[in-house]
Amino acid sequence: DGGITQSPKYLFRKEGQNVTLSCEQNLNHDAMYWYRQDPGQGLRLIYYSQIVNDFQKGDIAEGYSVSREKKESFPLTVTSAQKNPTAFYLCASSTLLAGGNNEQFFGPGTRLTVL
Amino acid sequence: GENVEQHPSTLSVQEGDSAVIKCTYSDSASNYFPWYKQELGKRPQLIIDIRSNVGEKKDQRIAVTLNKTAKHFSLHITETQPEDSAVYFCAASRYSSASKIIFGSGTRLSIRP
Repeated sequence: DGGITQSPKYLFRKEGQNVTLSCEQNLNHDAMYWYRQDPGQGLRLIYYSQIVNDFQKGDIAEGYSVSREKKESFPLTVTSAQKNPTAFYLCASSTLLAGGNNEQFFGPGTRLTVL
Repeated sequence: GENVEQHPSTLSVQEGDSAVIKCTYSDSASNYFPWYKQELGKRPQLIIDIRSNVGEKKDQRIAVTLNKTAKHFSLHITETQPEDSAVYFCAASRYSSASKIIFGSGTRLSIRP
């Protein structure tokens, strides 16, 4: 299924707790992304990274943090500062070839529920 | 900021009929326009894409058209089948620096038997 995995599939969190969502890819892709999906709102970009040890904020970065210590891994931490974290989180990766096919490959997603 | 608007949000068509989903984008420098299909409970997957140097692209029952002047692009599905039922997302980006793809809000397509 595209070589990009996310874990866990379902995650429950108590209010005030930080949680970390895992994303791993073996596609040798340079770029990785985190999206949040809410019903009727499409895919909103949280953070993205083009290269190891570098990442950029997306449209809704507040309350989230990421790291990119390895090319294959791009974990997302949902902090207690995120006011409404219950959502479906999708990780994606792509190549960064100028003029090339930069199709985004998505992971299976993590459904986070705050209790 | 950059924006992609997608219409309609829901679409129901009779099996065998055609479905059309339309998108407009705001960034005039956008030159890569992919379409993703997300079946219930599954991940989005690319179904077709078009670059700005082409006005139309077909792949069996699906086609995409692009009007760069008007900043419009559309997805056309002909002879719809039950397995076409899904949420479809359009997107726009600059493929010279494709780190940031802007997605539309999605269209839920239902095929009536």
